[in-house]
Amino acid sequence: KNEVEQSPQNLTAQEGEFITINCSYSVGISALHWLQQHPGGGIVSLFMLSSGKKKHGRLIATINIQEKHSSLHITASHPRDSAVYICAQNRDDKIIFGKGTRLHILP
Amino acid sequence: NAGVTQTPKFQVLKTGQSMTLQCAQDMNHEYMSWYRQDPGMGLRLIHYSVGAGITDQGEVPNGYNVSRSTTEDFPLRLLSAAPSQTSVYFCASSSRGLAPGELFFGEGSRLTVL
Repeated sequence: KNEVEQSPQNLTAQEGEFITINCSYSVGISALHWLQQHPGGGIVSLFMLSSGKKKHGRLIATINIQEKHSSLHITASHPRDSAVYICAQNRDDKIIFGKGTRLHILP
Repeated sequence: NAGVTQTPKFQVLKTGQSMTLQCAQDMNHEYMSWYRQDPGMGLRLIHYSVGAGITDQGEVPNGYNVSRSTTEDFPLRLLSAAPSQTSVYFCASSSRGLAPGELFFGEGSRLTVL
């Protein structure tokens, strides 16, 4: 069982829709990361957070430490948001990754 | 500022051949790590290092060696390549200290072992 669980695994939505991707983890963390990987592309960091909420443009990340849960929201989604979104947590000296959520935004 | 530089981008090997994937960062990051990415498996940790001279095994270390002689470089060696090592490999780095830092990834290396 992966210790970082993401849902949904796949998501298709229409342009303009509000998108939510969820991440649950089983052990307390020092930090949680949200990453983005475009098809055939590299991996870039979107957010790193250990509490509360962060916002960058149309992207918002939240974390609830007590519930061991984080969400990534995309407002006014656009086809260029189509990518795999990966949740990862720092645990001791290791970083544990979820399997990713594949997002496809239709024009 | 180049960030994390990973080479080569593509490599084809025959079973039993050896090779080294290079990873270098210019951000003075203490933490460096290697992952492989396979369809349906997500990113899996191969080896990591928390500083020069210190390395440790991750989830899937068999068949791979690493060393960290400098802060900047963290090469990954395949001593005798096997078809099961066909994958996309990513190197990543981050700062450490009192709080973990943002992750920076190399562009990836696609390795095919025939």
